[in-house]
Amino acid sequence: GAGVSQSPSNKVTEKGKDVELRCDPISGHTALYWYRQSLGQGLEFLIYFQGNSAPDKSGLPSDRFSAERTGGSVSTLTIQRTQQEDSAVYLCASSLVVSHDYGYTFGSGTRLTVV
Amino acid sequence: AQSVTQLDSHVSVSEGTPVLLRCNYSSSYSPSLFWYVQHPNKGLQLLLKYTSAATLVKGINGFEAEFKKSETSFHLTKPSAHMSDAAEYFCVVSDREYGNKLVFGAGTILRVKS
Repeated sequence: GAGVSQSPSNKVTEKGKDVELRCDPISGHTALYWYRQSLGQGLEFLIYFQGNSAPDKSGLPSDRFSAERTGGSVSTLTIQRTQQEDSAVYLCASSLVVSHDYGYTFGSGTRLTVV
Repeated sequence: AQSVTQLDSHVSVSEGTPVLLRCNYSSSYSPSLFWYVQHPNKGLQLLLKYTSAATLVKGINGFEAEFKKSETSFHLTKPSAHMSDAAEYFCVVSDREYGNKLVFGAGTILRVKS
């Protein structure tokens, strides 16, 4: 598609359950990023993938969070044993390359609510 | 040290008056700087970016920003606010110090009064 697609757009889950969030980047974009936007907290970097290189996981807040990117395209962010503090909007972005010269194209996000 | 500081969490202007959203950054290298806008319940949209070319950068919807290295600032301006400009604005820095990731400021909510 023309833009970055994320699904689901909204997810409500019970505390302790696992969730999977999906991101479909722009075709041909080699770099893919996950950010989290919590109320009043701004945007927090989680992880990024660049081609076949090892991902930069430095922003993942705990070992309950993991992400993978299959075939250099679609990415899935998994949160295990969800907690209420995981409630946030999870944003995916893609970029043609990893370079500090490039801006990213963001998806509309997945709003996760843990009850 | 805070990498990006947006000096105002909220700015309120009247329609037709100038807009100034202030941003200061810290960087050990040659940074790229961006402004993104987020309208309510919408995704992030790139307004403009500076990547070591002209220091005055023009973006969409009449916005512009000036890179001032001596002041480590990248303030966003618009001569005349429109109601549709009401949104949250994020100043963003990226350079090798941050591993080429985008580092976001906390955001400034712009309110436009009629």
